[in-house]
Amino acid sequence: AQSVTQPDIHITVSEGASLELRCNYSYGATPYLFWYVQSPGQGLQLLLKYFSGDTLVQGIKGFEAEFKRSQSSFNLRKPSVHWSDAAEYFCAVGNNAGNMLTFGGGTRLMVKP
Amino acid sequence: DTEVTQTPKHLVMGMTNKKSLKCEQHMGHRAMYWYKQKAKKPPELMFVYSYEKLSINESVPSRFSPECPNSSLLNLHLHALQPEDSALYLCASSLKHPGTQETQYFGPGTRLLVL
Repeated sequence: AQSVTQPDIHITVSEGASLELRCNYSYGATPYLFWYVQSPGQGLQLLLKYFSGDTLVQGIKGFEAEFKRSQSSFNLRKPSVHWSDAAEYFCAVGNNAGNMLTFGGGTRLMVKP
Repeated sequence: DTEVTQTPKHLVMGMTNKKSLKCEQHMGHRAMYWYKQKAKKPPELMFVYSYEKLSINESVPSRFSPECPNSSLLNLHLHALQPEDSALYLCASSLKHPGTQETQYFGPGTRLLVL
């Protein structure tokens, strides 16, 4: 069975500081990995995804993530956080059939002025 | 365009009411999904439709009844709900092209309150 762990429930960073959100997955085959962001009361917006190829993937809003198979990780990074980045971030793994997403518990990001 | 729309945005209903949630996409996607999300929790999959046929039902109570009248539209009919069913209901869609990994695109959700 596939699973995703986001070890940090809450993270607070200062505006302009760098950010790294951790994600660890468990999946028997090649993982298909996603990061979504959710603002309060809103739906989920896709930030980026990894299917194959270059292990460093670029996404929207200046985010990037690096797939490390040896560590079963897919951490999300941003070099300089903006106040508008405050939201809930979900890491997810997709199954081979392409019809099931398993989400991590989420990380709530707060940004200090 | 990667837009999935959902109506209504908010819904308050009593336990004896019948209501429906609507989801629409015009991206040519052939897979559509319903998720339930409780506060401070990740989304939980409820149903998956593939080519307008129900392919996955994650043991959802029968008071939730999905319907996919055509490839662009997905409904969730609600009847005799309980207060614990109050949640954000999210719809998503994906291309469902053979041989490709799917990316799900989510709508803004319907926030449901059951009194």
